[in-house]
This record gives sequence, C-alpha cells and structure tokens, in this order.
Amino acid sequence: QSVLTQPPSVSGAPGQRVTISCTGSSSNIGAGYDVHWYQQLPGTAPKLLIYGNTNRPSGVPDRFSGSKSGTSASLAITGLQADDEADYYCQSYDSSLSVFYVFGTGTKVTVL
Amino acid sequence: EVQLVESGGGLVQPGGSLRLSCAASGFTFSSYWMHWVRQAPGKGLVWVLRINSDGSSTSYADSVKGRFTISRDNAKNTLYLQMSSLRAEDTAVYYCAREGWGLLGGSFDIWGQGTMVTVSS
Repeated sequence: QSVLTQPPSVSGAPGQRVTISCTGSSSNIGAGYDVHWYQQLPGTAPKLLIYGNTNRPSGVPDRFSGSKSGTSASLAITGLQADDEADYYCQSYDSSLSVFYVFGTGTKVTVL
Repeated sequence: EVQLVESGGGLVQPGGSLRLSCAASGFTFSSYWMHWVRQAPGKGLVWVLRINSDGSSTSYADSVKGRFTISRDNAKNTLYLQMSSLRAEDTAVYYCAREGWGLLGGSFDIWGQGTMVTVSS
C-alpha cells in the first residue's frame, strides 16, 4: 500500500554516517509536496524528526539532516550513536490516491 | 506539556464495534487538524483518517471508508474514532496525531502513545 519506497535496513558503526532514501513519484514528492521524517524507537510512538524536507524540530540534534530532489528525499544521520537504532519513516502527501497522507515503507537502522 | 492520550482499545470479535478516544492537553485543540494513524504488528505506519479543526470536513482511507468515523468534541478537547464492521486486518496499534501548523503543515508533530485494537474470535 505504501507509495514511498525505503530500503528495509541500513547499518553502520558508531560515529559513521548513514543515509536513508525515500523514493516517490510525480504525484507525491515529485509534485512538490514536502517530505517529513519520523523516528520510532522500539515499543514507542513515532516522533517527528524532520519537517518540510530539511527542518529540525527543537530538541532534534543536528546530526540528523534531510534533503529532497526530484521524486526522492533522503535522511542522513552523522556521528551514528547506539540510541539512533530505530525505525525511520518518510511521509508526504499524494494527490492521486484516496489515501492523501502517505508513509514510506520504513527503514530499520542498526548500529553495529 | 503538549500531550495526546488514547484510550478504548481492546479485543473485539470480527464484525464488532469499538470507539477510541484521544484526549488532548497543553495546546489549543480546536485550532488543529487531527488524524488517526495505525500500525499493524511488525508493520509500517498507515494513515487512516483526518478531521479538520472545527469538525466540518473529514477524509478517509479507502480501507476504512464506510466502516470508520472520525469526530471531535472541541469543548472536551477530545478526538474520537468509531470503528464498526471490524475485520482481522484492522488489528493494529492506533495512534492519534496532531497535524502541524504553518511550516509544520502536512507533518504529524505530536503523537499519542497508541492504543492496541485486536480483532479476533
């Protein structure tokens, strides 16, 4: 059902940089709609991590950054830490479906 | 403290009904669009329903259209989800979420802790 595709998993050692891609289409990301990112720690509710493609809510470390280009977006985590181990979801708006708000398939980040 | 607290989840038989509530505090509830998002066990997030700030407009995912109803009581700072004709595939954690305003528009900036709904005989 997800129209935004993410890699199932990414991993990295502490201190490394990892990136998560979010691939959409011309009816969502490519149509100019903003991309937002969420972090879901095990057993907890999602938390807004990046909004409006590149902006961090207060309290989110600048180790997290977002970008968008064409029909895709990316989340980068630098200086990877053990407590970054979580599921990450992108989210946008889609104008072609009856499901207006769409989430990505989700990516599990593992800290080696 | 800005907070959303869901309640009302539980075990229900296929074809049954259930009403979820989401109590808001710490912000002007009547100013925000509100949503329900669900997550089946071990699966990803799925948007389900949305209601605008005064309750005059709603949107539904096809999967729940005709079976689920979203509503709100701004005087009580509470969001509701009435679920009927429940199916096994509706089994999930249900989160209420606030849609951000301004630059945060389109994002879900506040989430509740979630309430589990299990549809099983």
